[in-house]
This record gives sequence, structure tokens and C-alpha cells, in this order.
Amino acid sequence: AQTVTQSQPEMSVQEAETVTLSCTYDTSENNYYLFWYKQPPSRQMILVIRQEAYKQQNATENRFSVNFQKAAKSFSLKISDSQLGDTAMYFCAFMKHDNTDKLIFGTGTRLQVFP
Amino acid sequence: EADIYQTPRYLVIGTGKKITLECSQTMGHDKMYWYQQDPGMELHLIHYSYGVNSTEKGDLSSESTVSRIRTEHFPLTLESARPSHTSQYLCASSGLAGARLDGELFFGEGSRLTVL
Repeated sequence: AQTVTQSQPEMSVQEAETVTLSCTYDTSENNYYLFWYKQPPSRQMILVIRQEAYKQQNATENRFSVNFQKAAKSFSLKISDSQLGDTAMYFCAFMKHDNTDKLIFGTGTRLQVFP
Repeated sequence: EADIYQTPRYLVIGTGKKITLECSQTMGHDKMYWYQQDPGMELHLIHYSYGVNSTEKGDLSSESTVSRIRTEHFPLTLESARPSHTSQYLCASSGLAGARLDGELFFGEGSRLTVL
């Protein structure tokens, strides 16, 4: 069975600064996806970034980037130039590459961006 | 914005009532999912469907049931609600339409259920 662990229940950062959210996972699969999803207060959860396990290059999406360490089973999210709109719950998630699209989530990290 | 809608957003009901949480998507996605989310906890998959007349139970056991008679519609029903069913229920879908990346799920805004 796969598990996803987020050890930081809450984080805070000042506007324009950089913050890193941690995630570790456990799996015996070799081919899988890792995701970071963002859930703003009272709004829909949306995809932030995705990493394919077979790709060594870390994924980036504008101000969001990941540090994917496959051997260590670590998948952290770095948010650069933090904005007030980044305030949200962030969930790390695992998906087997089996066309089921079933996600296994971590417990989430609540990020507060301060002015 | 994702084209997936859930109703009601908030529901407070008494024990023993039957409730149905509605979920609809307009993207033509074949795959749909129900996740249960308790405060401060991860989301747990309780039901999923890969198309019309296909439904499967998820990783977390649930007393709820689902149906998939139409592609766009995936309602969740509790025949007799209990306080232990108090939670937030998130519906999601996945497919080619609207997806930036393979495996991207689109989520509704959630239905927060409170059973007294």
C-alpha cells in the first residue's frame, strides 16, 4: 500500500518570500505520478504541479517548483515570491501510473501568507 | 474554473434522514470520484466510477452508495444518516477535456454534511 506523509501541519511566510513544503511517500511501485494540490478557503481544490516518477528533471510551473528525490521518496514544493493568494491548504498526493487516476493524499499543510 | 458542481454546499440534518449529495460535471469525463475529508485530515477515496453503470468502492469503507446512470452525474446517497457521517464530501472527475496534465483531477467545491 502507498502512503503519503506531510509533517508540517501549518506554515507561514511573508509576502514575496520563499517557502518550502515537505512531503514524503512510501511505495513499491516504480512508475507513478506525484502531485501538489491547492485548496483555498471555501474554494475548489486545484492542481498546482505534477511530477512523473520516471523523469529526473524537477517540474516547474511559474513560481512553483518541486524537489523530487526518488531514492529518498521525497517530494517537496517550493513557492517563490509568495503572494497573498497562495494562502491555502496544500496537499501532496500519489497516483499509480495505471490509468485509474486514483489519488492517495497526505494530511495537508496549511500555508498562511502574511503581508 | 472547473466545470464540476456539487449541491448542496452545506447540509444540516437529523439522525435517520436519507440524504443525496449531487455531483455533476460538464466536461464529458468518464472517471468520477467521491472523497471524504475530515477537518485536518487527508482525503479518503470512498467511491469511484469509470463510466456509466460502473461503480466501485474506494479505499475507505463507507455506508454511502453511489450510482452512475449518466456520464455527467454521480450522486452519493446515505439511506440513514448518523452523526458519524458528519464530514466534507468532495466530488472529482478526470479525463482528457480541460486537463493540462495526465491524471489531473477536477474537484467540486464540496458538500459539508452535519448530522445531529
